[in-house]
Amino acid sequence: SQQGEEDPQALSIQEGENATMNCSYKTSINNLQWYRQNSGRGLVHLILIRSNEREKHSGRLRVTLDTSKKSSSLLITASRAADTASYFCATDARDDKIIFGKGTRLHILP
Amino acid sequence: ETGVTQSPTHLIKTRGQQVTLRCSSQSGHNTVSWYQQALGQGPQFIFQYYREEENGRGNFPPRFSGLQFPNYSSELNVNALELDDSALYLCASSLGGTRTDTQYFGPGTRLTVL
Repeated sequence: SQQGEEDPQALSIQEGENATMNCSYKTSINNLQWYRQNSGRGLVHLILIRSNEREKHSGRLRVTLDTSKKSSSLLITASRAADTASYFCATDARDDKIIFGKGTRLHILP
Repeated sequence: ETGVTQSPTHLIKTRGQQVTLRCSSQSGHNTVSWYQQALGQGPQFIFQYYREEENGRGNFPPRFSGLQFPNYSSELNVNALELDDSALYLCASSLGGTRTDTQYFGPGTRLTVL
């Protein structure tokens, strides 16, 4: 079964609004990564947060990690049309396998 | 652009056939990972190669096999194709040989099995 599960499955917001998507996982992890995928093409690495970190920023992205709840969130501020994509979390579990969730499809409305 | 290339872009095969997919890593990267992504799903880890040796494998049968060459390019071979093998196949290169390293993905090969 999938280690990471993103929520919601799909999200539509107006351009300029903030988008928040969540990821839950089941077992202990070394780190958690977020990726973006445009239209079924290759994935682009966005950010990595380690298990001993609680929050990380990169430009308009903010990622939080709560290991006690086994969850992470990705916040995209001031969304743009180019942010329309699928977003995946990927966990690097202690058995050293990397496992992706099913993704959140984000659609930015003009 | 990540500098990772994959060929071919699209491929159509029939059940029972064999297929070889190719990946050229980003310059300087010594690690390549392969993933299968079914429609509407997240990528599933097939295996990873580090300096020409298999360095971890996901839950895929032995008919999925791979190679990494001295120039760190890579191949994914799938024998006895099944309908469920229809998917987008992604390779990703990295430097360091672990799953923690940032991976740079290619655009993928879309395989259709009829």
